[in-house]
Amino acid sequence: EVQLVESGGGLVQPGGSLRLSCAASGFTFSSYSMNWVRQAPGKGLEWVSYISSSSSTIYYADSVKGRFTISRDNAKNSLYLQMNSLRDEDTAVYYCAREEGGGSYFDYWGQGTLVTVSS
Amino acid sequence: DIQMTQSPSSLSASVGDRVTITCRASQSISSYLNWYQQKPGKAPKLLIYAASSLQSGVPSRFSGSGSGTDFTLTISSLQPEDFATYYCQQSYSTRMYTFGQGTKLEIK
Repeated sequence: EVQLVESGGGLVQPGGSLRLSCAASGFTFSSYSMNWVRQAPGKGLEWVSYISSSSSTIYYADSVKGRFTISRDNAKNSLYLQMNSLRDEDTAVYYCAREEGGGSYFDYWGQGTLVTVSS
Repeated sequence: DIQMTQSPSSLSASVGDRVTITCRASQSISSYLNWYQQKPGKAPKLLIYAASSLQSGVPSRFSGSGSGTDFTLTISSLQPEDFATYYCQQSYSTRMYTFGQGTKLEIK
């Protein structure tokens, strides 16, 4: 069974940093591209970042470019999101999502981890 | 950037109704359009990929159509468990995936 489990969320002050993790199991992690998607309270879904299976290709939404860094460790079946210079508007539930390469759709999602940026 | 616009933003319907949700892209995205269902407090769930392909395990009352800029998600006969928020997502531009703003389907 495919499982994605996020962790690392919490309360952080504006300007602070946080590192999210996503532990994958039930599939060959190293064969899949992965993404982070967030959802602010009461709002819609916003794609945040993409990383290819080998980490050779990485993309970011303009809203986080220069502040967030996506990475992965295929030996540990783990995906990461390092978030620096956090802003109030980064408050959201952050989901990791597996991307099915053929059509670039997100076929499995984690349960999400809440990041709250507030003083 | 490719913008995705869903309509309506909210919709009231009854069990057994046929419902259609529309998604429009700001430029042609071929068939790179996916639909997700999200229930409160839960992660999104993939329903339809590549505009019209039904994800494994999703009931056949869900269907998708369209190509280019205009797409639809249709639920042929609403069931109580279908009341949720639905999102479209374009995967044509891998440098910047974008979602529609969502359509909240509520019980009439």
